[in-house]
Amino acid sequence: EPEVTQTPSHQVTQMGQEVILRCVPISNHLYFYWYRQILGQKVEFLVSFYNNEISEKSEIFDDQFSVERPDGSNFTLKIRSTKLEDSAMYFCASSAQEVTEAFFGQGTRLTVV
Amino acid sequence: AQSVTQLGSHVSVSEGALVLLRCNYSSSVPPYLFWYVQYPNQGLQLLLKYTTGATLVKGINGFEAEFKKSETSFHLTKPSAHMSDAAEYFCAVSEREYGNKLVFGAGTILRVKS
Repeated sequence: EPEVTQTPSHQVTQMGQEVILRCVPISNHLYFYWYRQILGQKVEFLVSFYNNEISEKSEIFDDQFSVERPDGSNFTLKIRSTKLEDSAMYFCASSAQEVTEAFFGQGTRLTVV
Repeated sequence: AQSVTQLGSHVSVSEGALVLLRCNYSSSVPPYLFWYVQYPNQGLQLLLKYTTGATLVKGINGFEAEFKKSETSFHLTKPSAHMSDAAEYFCAVSEREYGNKLVFGAGTILRVKS
């Protein structure tokens, strides 16, 4: 069964460092998303991406964040200068069409120290 | 703006008992509604969804949910709980006219007692 794959599963980084979270969406999907879940809190939408551009982003997705689909298969989330409050589980998701269900990856647990 | 309220952050049932997890939503347009399950240290897995048509939707693992527009609810049920159902359950809403951004509820942790 096709699945969304995220790497790494765990990432520890020092405050102020740049981090790149990687995702391989399901191959025929066209819409890509990043969500995050701070420990004990709701899953929150960060950004959606379609046709090589951001289609929507939340207030959380500030200038420290960027997304890219560099090679037609990977979908990355970059945090330029990490803060302690960026510690969370980050989920990548993809969907075939805009209003079908999103399939989620296993998540990357980011810990900023 | 959309929002989702899940009543009860923790629900405990006995094995074999009815499972009822409550979800109420707010949306300015007809919504798409979803239930996701998250097992420990795993990602989010879709249980079921409502888009259009029949208001009673069946999902995986014996779960079902009913869309009630008048009550703005989408409660999740399962007639008989199994130990393997212990997990966290998230209700989510999407406003179909505005893409597939999902707004999640806070989640309900289901505990199944033997």
